[in-house]
Amino acid sequence: ETGVTQTPRHLVMGMTNKKSLKCEQHLGHNAMYWYKQSAKKPLELMFVYNFKEQTENNSVPSRFSPECPNSSHLFLHLHTLQPEDSALYLCASSQEQGDGYTFGSGTRLTVV
Amino acid sequence: KQEVTQIPAALSVPEGENLVLNCSFTDSAIYNLQWFRQDPGKGLTSLLLIQSSQREQTSGRLNASLDKSSGRSTLYIAASQPGDSATYLCAIGTNAGKSTFGDGTTLTVKP
Repeated sequence: ETGVTQTPRHLVMGMTNKKSLKCEQHLGHNAMYWYKQSAKKPLELMFVYNFKEQTENNSVPSRFSPECPNSSHLFLHLHTLQPEDSALYLCASSQEQGDGYTFGSGTRLTVV
Repeated sequence: KQEVTQIPAALSVPEGENLVLNCSFTDSAIYNLQWFRQDPGKGLTSLLLIQSSQREQTSGRLNASLDKSSGRSTLYIAASQPGDSATYLCAIGTNAGKSTFGDGTTLTVKP
């Protein structure tokens, strides 16, 4: 474990379902991130939170809704997803925004 | 817009060989550069972080260099082992916390 824990590790959901991904870090970091990794594509930044405030939304569709209740927890709420949203979703944290990342193990999401 | 290129896309070497992985970037105004390894289906493990003001970082058998003027970074792996087999990614970071990742180099070290 790296200090960043993601649950669940695997998720299969239908296009009409609602589910949430959870990320938790106890490293005392103040910035948290969601990244998407699709097959044959480089990692794509989705959202950045710094001290619980969203500082970046990288033109992500509204069917992805992030939530950061405190500096240690980050959620990604999913609804009405499409099959092309199937990917590995990675959470990361850093001491401050701009510092090096620590990544979680990811959630493998399959939309059917 | 920052573009990051990693060449080669795949590399296969015999155990014990020293090797170099390359990372090129188009915008030299970077905040930091981070090298990661990723095992299949897993998250990213940080290997080395080089700040913009630094030229290199070392950890065990790994050495990473940074040349901002030429837009290049290299990751040197000494005495490679089968356990080094993984995909290696470089990420160019800004002070806003946004990083641009390369596509990675998939390394296979044969026993």
